[in-house]
Amino acid sequence: EAGVTQFPSHSVIEKGQTVTLRCDPISGHDNLYWYRRVMGKEIKFLLHFVKESKQDESGMPNNRFLAERTGGTYSTLKVQPAELEDSGVYFCASSPRTTGYEQYFGPGTRLTVT
Amino acid sequence: RKEVEQDPGPFNVPEGATVAFNCTYSNSASQSFFWYRQDCRKEPKLLMSVYSSGNEDGRFTAQLNRASQYISLLIRDSKLSDSATYLCVVNGGSYIPTFGRGTSLIVHP
Repeated sequence: EAGVTQFPSHSVIEKGQTVTLRCDPISGHDNLYWYRRVMGKEIKFLLHFVKESKQDESGMPNNRFLAERTGGTYSTLKVQPAELEDSGVYFCASSPRTTGYEQYFGPGTRLTVT
Repeated sequence: RKEVEQDPGPFNVPEGATVAFNCTYSNSASQSFFWYRQDCRKEPKLLMSVYSSGNEDGRFTAQLNRASQYISLLIRDSKLSDSATYLCVVNGGSYIPTFGRGTSLIVHP
């Protein structure tokens, strides 16, 4: 069974540019989560999809971040325009159930904004 | 007070040693508890779920103390391959996972 995949693995962009991150969850997993880890800090929740619906987006930093999951399969996270403080590792995770269940993480996208 | 707190370490132990980590959480309504392992520059992977009655998986034992609001992880007979960062994850009443910053373990020969 294929795991969670993320693309790209690394991205270096200049402040003000746009970047789109993609996450393909494990097939059949309705729940998809985005997280971010800023250097030296803990992993922080960004948002949670159940199928194509946003269940909780309370962790999204501001309106420069837009997440979508059209069709309830893969998800994209767009940052527009990127700022220096957006640098970090963005993880995606998926799970077959919402509560009390293991989440399977992707390898992450390392974003550097210069 | 942080929602989930862990001693960042590093815990530096010889092979074969027993080592224990604690993690405290602030939300008394928390429902689910997990220990994840994260190797350097890799993604977190589930090590163990933590049940109210405590649970054991080989050399690893996890305990939950709801009264004092902490969970623990005990590793017996440490191996070199146990070197990693151990993340405490707590699901609060809203089921949003909250991560600790992790505890670094270094097992040396």
